[in-house]
Amino acid sequence: GENVEQHPSTLSVQEGDSAVIKCTYSDSASNYFPWYKQELGKRPQLIIDIRSNVGEKKDQRIAVTLNKTAKHFSLHITETQPEDSAVYFCAANYPFGNEKLTFGTGTRLTIIP
Amino acid sequence: DTAVSQTPKYLVTQMGNDKSIKCEQNLGHDTMYWYKQDSKKFLKIMFSYNNKELIINETVPNRFSPKSPDKAHLNLHINSLELGDSAVYFCASSPKRGHSPLHFGNGTRLTVT
Repeated sequence: GENVEQHPSTLSVQEGDSAVIKCTYSDSASNYFPWYKQELGKRPQLIIDIRSNVGEKKDQRIAVTLNKTAKHFSLHITETQPEDSAVYFCAANYPFGNEKLTFGTGTRLTIIP
Repeated sequence: DTAVSQTPKYLVTQMGNDKSIKCEQNLGHDTMYWYKQDSKKFLKIMFSYNNKELIINETVPNRFSPKSPDKAHLNLHINSLELGDSAVYFCASSPKRGHSPLHFGNGTRLTVT
């Protein structure tokens, strides 16, 4: 099965600066890597995802990079704003059998005004 | 027109009781899930159904029993509730299992006293 590690567990950045959250996965066959944002008291929501056939994907201030050789992927948020404060989860799939999606342990991001 | 709706939002009950949480999705998705989020915010998959068929059954006590009457509904029944069952339970759905985005419900906060 898949094992996903996520770092850091907490991250504080000044408003306007960039934030980077990193994840590593164990199964080289994994081919789908989504990122979810969970605001306080709310449900996790997909913010961006990447598949193994691309190395980078951008959506406005958010980007995800994937290094298949090293088996790690990262979330980059530029020009951070107070509304970016939330818990962020990475995930990776196990593409065989039940194709389970395994989540990282989460990063609590705090944007300091 | 909530895509994934679960009820109740809050559930407070005493140890030893039996309770159910209901989930419905109107997205036409084939796969539905139950996730448990504990106080440390870890998201752990419990069960997954694909077209009413159980495909993931993690190491969950058999006091937890999922039921899927049709592919739009996945309910969770919990017998003999214990203090350690206190958590937020999220229902989710996806178009396909493993490599497509999850759509989460708003969660049910279960408190066992």
